[in-house]
Amino acid sequence: DIQMTQSPSSLSASVGDRVTITCRASQGINNYLAWYQQKPGKVPKLLIYAASTLQSGVPSRFGGSGSGTDFTLTISSLQPEDVATYYCQKYNSAPWTFGQGTKVEIK
Amino acid sequence: QVQLQQSGPGLVKPSQTLSLTCAISGDSVSSNSVAWNWIRQSPSRGLEWLGRTFYRSKWYNDYAVSVKSRIIINPDTSKNQFSLQLNSVTPEDTAVYYCTREAPAPNWGYFDYWGQGTLVTVSS
Repeated sequence: DIQMTQSPSSLSASVGDRVTITCRASQGINNYLAWYQQKPGKVPKLLIYAASTLQSGVPSRFGGSGSGTDFTLTISSLQPEDVATYYCQKYNSAPWTFGQGTKVEIK
Repeated sequence: QVQLQQSGPGLVKPSQTLSLTCAISGDSVSSNSVAWNWIRQSPSRGLEWLGRTFYRSKWYNDYAVSVKSRIIINPDTSKNQFSLQLNSVTPEDTAVYYCTREAPAPNWGYFDYWGQGTLVTVSS
């Protein structure tokens, strides 16, 4: 099975900072990658699919890029409500697998 | 607006069967363009996909290899819901279980709607 590895596992940044999270697939997955946000005690929420397409209603400060094996989630200006754990998920073929998560906190 | 409402017990004894149900509103379990999945989350395993059921002129299932010998996911068209049955549970099956909708074709494989989650603890 294809493994998904995220880095870093956690980060702390100031409000207004640009934040970047990386997700690497052990094999190429074209652009079949989604990103989710999970706030503490809440259900995961879809942010991005097809590596760079923003789900309806998601703020434009979130962006995704990449193809093949290397992908990035960027928050252009970190807000207090962005405190959460972020997960990538590949879906080129079953089984669907997730990264281990990146916890984002405010400094 | 699609809504998924989960139900089922939060405590299961070791070696017994975990059973959860996900009631669908705003869509149909028999839809030809989506799939219905179960995912679990635990500190040790993270987010783990368990399996799915979907209808494409007939019913299909896919299951994760890790649980394939113990899992059944069934649709219930009369109640517009689907269920998870996980047999012979151990404490390692303790997790929050989510039902999810897999996005409509052609965007297979990611999850646009989630149930509220059910914490299932396996303990005697």
